[in-house]
Amino acid sequence: RKEVEQDPGPFNVPEGATVAFNCTYSNSASQSFFWYRQDCRKEPKLLMSVYSSGNEDGRFTAQLNRASQYISLLIRDSKLSDSATYLCVVIESASKIIFGSGTRLSIRP
Amino acid sequence: GAVVSQHPSWVICKSGTSVKIECRSLDFQATTMFWYRQFPKQSLMLMATSNEGSKATYEQGVEKDKFLINHASLTLSTLTVTSAHPEDSSFYICSAPLWGGPRVEQFFGPGTRLTVL
Repeated sequence: RKEVEQDPGPFNVPEGATVAFNCTYSNSASQSFFWYRQDCRKEPKLLMSVYSSGNEDGRFTAQLNRASQYISLLIRDSKLSDSATYLCVVIESASKIIFGSGTRLSIRP
Repeated sequence: GAVVSQHPSWVICKSGTSVKIECRSLDFQATTMFWYRQFPKQSLMLMATSNEGSKATYEQGVEKDKFLINHASLTLSTLTVTSAHPEDSSFYICSAPLWGGPRVEQFFGPGTRLTVL
């Protein structure tokens, strides 16, 4: 089993739709969790941190389920500009940071 | 926010030459930096973890003699692609973690696009 797993997609949804994807992790002792966004030919950029209590930023909601060992990202009222690859990042320790393989999201008009 | 730079941003070289890529944390120190490779339409793949003052840790399948990593200081890590071949053409990205108490954020360099002819 991979340390961090994501559905690679692509998710192809119409503008205005709500879309969600998950990321599972194998190490129950993992400390911190993040979602990053990567546009084509660019470096990843932090989208949001993921807290046990949930984290909402505008149209984006991130949640952590420690019991089932997954994090989720929900995007409401999706925009064309949301089209990107979304990477989950799991911090196990100061020297071990694991990236998911990314989920490709494509928003169509 | 914190900044990580890479140099060069792109390079074209002949097969057989060696290419050095620099990764610098501009306003913070990083005892650990990470090197990734990304082929077109694929995800980031971690190549190695660069450790200041000790040897780099390579991921399975990554040749350490092919991809030489030197963490020269707390703000600089270099990746040298030795005897580059066309199959090494890729987008190379580094990142450095910045710890703030219990939290950490990963900052990425802008990437280096390597084309080997």
